[in-house]
Amino acid sequence: KNEVEQSPQNLTAQEGEFITINCSYSVGISALHWLQQHPGGGIVSLFMLSSGKKKHGRLIATINIQEKHSSLHITASHPRDSAVYICAVPLLQGAQKLVFGQGTRLTINP
Amino acid sequence: DVKVTQSSRYLVKRTGEKVFLECVQDMDHENMFWYRQDPGLGLRLIYFSYDVKMKEKGDIPEGYSVSREKKERFSLILESASTNQTSMYLCASSFGSKETQYFGPGTRLLVL
Repeated sequence: KNEVEQSPQNLTAQEGEFITINCSYSVGISALHWLQQHPGGGIVSLFMLSSGKKKHGRLIATINIQEKHSSLHITASHPRDSAVYICAVPLLQGAQKLVFGQGTRLTINP
Repeated sequence: DVKVTQSSRYLVKRTGEKVFLECVQDMDHENMFWYRQDPGLGLRLIYFSYDVKMKEKGDIPEGYSVSREKKERFSLILESASTNQTSMYLCASSFGSKETQYFGPGTRLLVL
């Protein structure tokens, strides 16, 4: 079993839809990261959160430490949101080292 | 804004060649990382460095070495490139042990 699992692996939706991507992890963590990777390869850090909820524009990330689960939501989705979304958690023993999920490929059709 | 740059976006090398991938960050970050990304396997840590001349193996260090002679620069070396090292290589840096990692644009390496 992977230490970090994301679902779904692929998601296609129409412009305007509300999007939810889930991340479950089995390791203990200090903070969970959500990353975005556009075609071409560049990765951008979206959020780092250790409790509760964070919001940036149309993106909302939530985390439930007890359930070891995080969700990334996108409101009013747009074709430019099409990307791979990756969650990552640090291992307790070496907080600098991240364990990554497989990624969720999101496609928003106009 | 933090800037992490990588020496090449695309690279084609032959089996057995020595390959150098360079990464430079401009924010005085302590930590630097090298990952490779393959379809179905996600991002995997090759090596990381938490200070000049300091390095630690990641999950898949075999066939790779690294060098960090200056704080801003972290080099990944493929001593003798093999076809199974064809991959996307991503460099990242961060300030503290629990801080956001900033990624470079990636180098897509093809070993023939």
